[in-house]
Amino acid sequence: DVVMTQTPVSLSVSLGGQTSISCRSSQSLVHSDGNTYLYWYLQKPGQSPQLLIYKVSNRFSGVPDRFSGSGSGTDFTLKISRVEPEDLGVYYCYQGTHYPLTFGSGTKLEIK
Amino acid sequence: QVQLKESGPGLVQPSQTLSLTCTVSGFSLTSYNVHWVRQPPGKGLEWMGRMRYNGDTSYNSALKSRLSISRDTSKNQVFLKMNSLQTDDTGTYYCTRGGGFAYWGQGTLVTVSS
Repeated sequence: DVVMTQTPVSLSVSLGGQTSISCRSSQSLVHSDGNTYLYWYLQKPGQSPQLLIYKVSNRFSGVPDRFSGSGSGTDFTLKISRVEPEDLGVYYCYQGTHYPLTFGSGTKLEIK
Repeated sequence: QVQLKESGPGLVQPSQTLSLTCTVSGFSLTSYNVHWVRQPPGKGLEWMGRMRYNGDTSYNSALKSRLSISRDTSKNQVFLKMNSLQTDDTGTYYCTRGGGFAYWGQGTLVTVSS
């Protein structure tokens, strides 16, 4: 199984500040079709996960441009700029390239 | 609009079988995959398995011996059945649409307890 390693486990960011989350996979996430199926989700307290970024760097509909994704192969990053109160929650990366599909263990974002 | 909704018993006894239903609207089960994902209390997300648009299924190998996913396209429903439940199967169970998991149900909490 592909192991998705997320760091840090938690972070605390000031309102208006910037932060990043790392996600590393145990093998390349480049699919045989040429796509890289790496996604980022935010799970707000008491809610279902919500899609932020799909296929490494594409923002899902309605996601503010404060969120950006980058990376390739096995190394990926989610950057959040101008942090707002509604950004708090747990962020997960997920790979859809190899079965079984796997998630990272999550990064909890707190607002200072 | 696209919607998914899980339903099922909130409480299951140890060693019994869990049966959940995911009722979808706004899209066709013959055009999109539907996946099941679960989350133990206070923990992360675990992919359980998938019903493909063509009726094929895939399962997490860790659960494969206990898990079955099926569907009724006429009712727009996908079903999950998992047997031999134990206390560590307690958690929130979600169904989500394939193609990036852009749409999720609200989740249903399942507690395994006698």
